[in-house]
Amino acid sequence: QSALTQSRSVSGSPGQSVTISCTGTSSDVGTYNYVSWYQQYPGEAPKLMIYDVTKRPSGVPDRFSGSKSGNTASLTISGLQAEDEADYHCCSYAGGYTLVFGGGTKLTVL
Amino acid sequence: EVQLLESGGSLVQPGGSLRLSCAASGFTFSSYPMTWVRQAPGKGLEWVSGISGNGLSPHYADSVKGRFTISRDNSNNRLYLQLNSLRAEDTALYYCAKVRVMSSAWYPPYYFDSWGQGTQVTVSS
Repeated sequence: QSALTQSRSVSGSPGQSVTISCTGTSSDVGTYNYVSWYQQYPGEAPKLMIYDVTKRPSGVPDRFSGSKSGNTASLTISGLQAEDEADYHCCSYAGGYTLVFGGGTKLTVL
Repeated sequence: EVQLLESGGSLVQPGGSLRLSCAASGFTFSSYPMTWVRQAPGKGLEWVSGISGNGLSPHYADSVKGRFTISRDNSNNRLYLQLNSLRAEDTALYYCAKVRVMSSAWYPPYYFDSWGQGTQVTVSS
């Protein structure tokens, strides 16, 4: 159950697109299409943004999209807005009825 | 509206014990698996434990297996986490969260669509 690997920070200007990557192994991300992404503002609880690699819960803007290739999952935010500045955490099923999260990526909107 | 309210966190010495509680409302509690996720200061999220809707199937991260026990009281809409043999590395904000899809089992996938605000556990002498 080693944590998934995320870059510590990423930045972009309003209107641009940014991609946050999440690298796991063949024991988690590479095998299961059970990847999710959570957005977290400072001092607040996480919010589910993407599930099943690519699906968005009701109410999440379509600017947020997810994908996966091999052992790496990605979250892309297009048309970046100031309100998107937050921490983003990836999560994957890791077999054996367990889960693993990434270390989180801080998104800064310049 | 789904509401989750954690309590029970405090400062405890290494080797000590705590019992965290999560009061749930706004949904049919017994129909949903529940989980505990923690976040150490300045760190990412870490899955700790999950339990099926019927309470019969608990699961744990390797880091807490044998020390923590998850349970639930469906008659009172409460989720619990018993923390024993606490270590400094258990210091974190502990969140309870609801699994998105109704199920009596703890079966993947696990997506958490409602979270509490967390309760702070600090392990220090």
